[in-house]
Amino acid sequence: EVQLVQSGAEVKKPGESLKISCKGSGYSFTSYWIGWVRQMPGKGLEWMGIIYPGDSDTRYSPSFQGQVTISADKSISTAYLQWSSLKASDTAMYYCARQGKELAYWGQGTLVTVSS
Amino acid sequence: QSALTQPASVSGSPGQSITISCTGTSSDVGGYNYVSWYQQHPGKAPKLMIYEVSNRPSGVPDRFSGSKSGNTASLTISGLQAEDEADYYCSSYTSSSTVFGGGTKLTVL
Repeated sequence: EVQLVQSGAEVKKPGESLKISCKGSGYSFTSYWIGWVRQMPGKGLEWMGIIYPGDSDTRYSPSFQGQVTISADKSISTAYLQWSSLKASDTAMYYCARQGKELAYWGQGTLVTVSS
Repeated sequence: QSALTQPASVSGSPGQSITISCTGTSSDVGGYNYVSWYQQHPGKAPKLMIYEVSNRPSGVPDRFSGSKSGNTASLTISGLQAEDEADYYCSSYTSSSTVFGGGTKLTVL
């Protein structure tokens, strides 16, 4: 069974750094892209970018380029989304998903709250 | 890349059919047969309902169907049931990115 398990909720202050994770199991982690999706409170889905864990090829939506960093450690089947300096506007639910031409399998989401 | 355009809300009575539209451009919806649809219940992760315009993943009821004409894709739900009440998002894959629609809230009256 394909599963993506994300790290737990985070509460951070503006300016702090953060790295959240997404661990894949039940399939060949290095053979499928992993995408990240943001959902701000009460809003829709926004595609942030993807990574191919096999060779770490990474692509970003223009809206998120330079704002976040997507990475992966194939030795532990885990993808990451990180911020170097959080803003209040980063408060959102973040989902990872196994992505081909569609996002077929989703993680449960990680809620990130940024507040002073 | 701009978000795809969906109606903010649609509604229907149990047993009826509804259709949700998703309009893009020739650079996304019109240019690729890679439109997918997702259902999201409150507090839950999205779930893939349709992929590659009209294909259903295993386990998705055949009441859900998808189509595309030009730059507009559509999701049709027939025989509406109470559990279909949710938010629905379309998405289009392109060679360089993926874009979502703004989402449509389906209310089952």
